[in-house]
Amino acid sequence: SQQGEEDPQALSIQEGENATMNCSYKTSINNLQWYRQNSGRGLVHLILIRSNEREKHSGRLRVTLDTSKKSSSLLITASRAADTASYFCATPTGANSKLTFGKGITLSVRP
Amino acid sequence: DARVTQTPRHKVTEMGQEVTMRCQPILGHNTVFWYRQTMMQGLELLAYFRNRAPLDDSGMPKDRFSAEMPDATLATLKIQPSEPRDSAVYFCASGQLGGNTEAFFGQGTRLTVV
Repeated sequence: SQQGEEDPQALSIQEGENATMNCSYKTSINNLQWYRQNSGRGLVHLILIRSNEREKHSGRLRVTLDTSKKSSSLLITASRAADTASYFCATPTGANSKLTFGKGITLSVRP
Repeated sequence: DARVTQTPRHKVTEMGQEVTMRCQPILGHNTVFWYRQTMMQGLELLAYFRNRAPLDDSGMPKDRFSAEMPDATLATLKIQPSEPRDSAVYFCASGQLGGNTEAFFGQGTRLTVV
C-alpha cells in the first residue's frame, strides 16, 4: 500500500498565482520528500523535511509538515509555466527505508 | 554531475520475448529501487536493494520478473516472458538511504510490448 497520498489530483492555475498541494501519510516518518516529474522524464527531488521540522523553504517552494495530522503541504509561490509538471510526495518507511509514492498531482500553469 | 543511467531508453518488443533493463546507480549509493509507472497504477515499487542485497520484491510479479545486482555498478530488471500489460515506464533510483537523504532517479526505460 502507498504511504503518501497527494491531493488534489489535478490543479490548474494562472501564471503568477500560488499553487498549494497536499500530502497525507499513514505511519510515523523520519522525513517526507517532495519530487517533481516533467513529462517523459524521471522524478527530481525538490525538498526534504525532517519529522522534527515544521516548515522549510527553498526558493519559491515552501513545505510544511504536521505530524499530528500526518500531513504535509507544498506551496509554490509566483508560479511559472515551467512549473507545469506532476508532483509527488514520498516517505521512507521501516528500518529499510522503503520509499513509496502516491499517484501524484498534475499541476498546469497557464501562461 | 553524478547521475543514474538507465539503458535502453526505449524498447519495443513482441509478446513472449525476454526484456532486460539495466541501471547504473550513482557510485557510493547504498540503495537501489526499481519502479514501474503507468497511467492507471501510478508509480509502483517493484523491488529494492541495500548494499546489493534484495530487501523487498513483493511488488514484483514473481513468475516473470526478476531483479538482480551483479555488482555495485549494475542493477538489472528482467521480464521473461513479456506481456502487453508490462508496457510501462520503468525507473531505477538510487540513494544513500537510512538517513535523511533523497533518491535520485534515472530517465527511465519506456517499454512497449506488442
